[in-house]
Amino acid sequence: GEDVEQSLFLSVREGDSSVINCTYTDSSSTYLYWYKQEPGAGLQLLTYIFSNMDMKQDQRLTVLLNKKDKHLSLRIADTQTGDSAIYFCVHGGATNKLIFGTGTLLAVQP
Amino acid sequence: NAGVMQNPRHLVRRRGQEARLRCSPMKGHSHVYWYRQLPEEGLKFMVYLQKENIIDESGMPKERFSAEFPKEGPSILRIQQVVRGDSAAYFCASSLRTGTSLSGEQFFGPGTRLTVL
Repeated sequence: GEDVEQSLFLSVREGDSSVINCTYTDSSSTYLYWYKQEPGAGLQLLTYIFSNMDMKQDQRLTVLLNKKDKHLSLRIADTQTGDSAIYFCVHGGATNKLIFGTGTLLAVQP
Repeated sequence: NAGVMQNPRHLVRRRGQEARLRCSPMKGHSHVYWYRQLPEEGLKFMVYLQKENIIDESGMPKERFSAEFPKEGPSILRIQQVVRGDSAAYFCASSLRTGTSLSGEQFFGPGTRLTVL
């Protein structure tokens, strides 16, 4: 079946790097995504990676994809308090539906 | 260009009542998706619609839930005879196209938070 797992909680100090990890079971997706959800708000697409790529860098964000191990990670450099949110690892399933991970709550300590 | 709009933002219903959630996709988008987020969980896919058609309803509960996306007007998610377990945030997303290109990117609305008393 389709399953996406993430660690539930990560706490870092402001200025440090954050690494959020994700494992998935379905390898058929063309794109894998990271979405950000701030408290009481909707979801914002943060970044994505095409399934034939190993790495993608976008300003402070670095996405690493290990297709063999079905492992995706998101690294946030120089983490700021405004980065505090829930981060969802997402892949596209059949008929374009998105499969969400459980979400990782990132808490940034000043 | 306004984003995906959902209303109401908050909805309170008593057990047994009906809940109607509305979603207006982004301008030009004809693909709409509904997701449900239970407390402390990720989003779960419910249904995918195009104008006047249900494409995939594999995530919809078999009873009490229905969805439509008429030719004119917003998409509606309808929950009949609500129970406490229906309390959740319901998110709508829309996309320009479907398939595996990034033009199938889904843009999310702010969600409707349903509370069943």
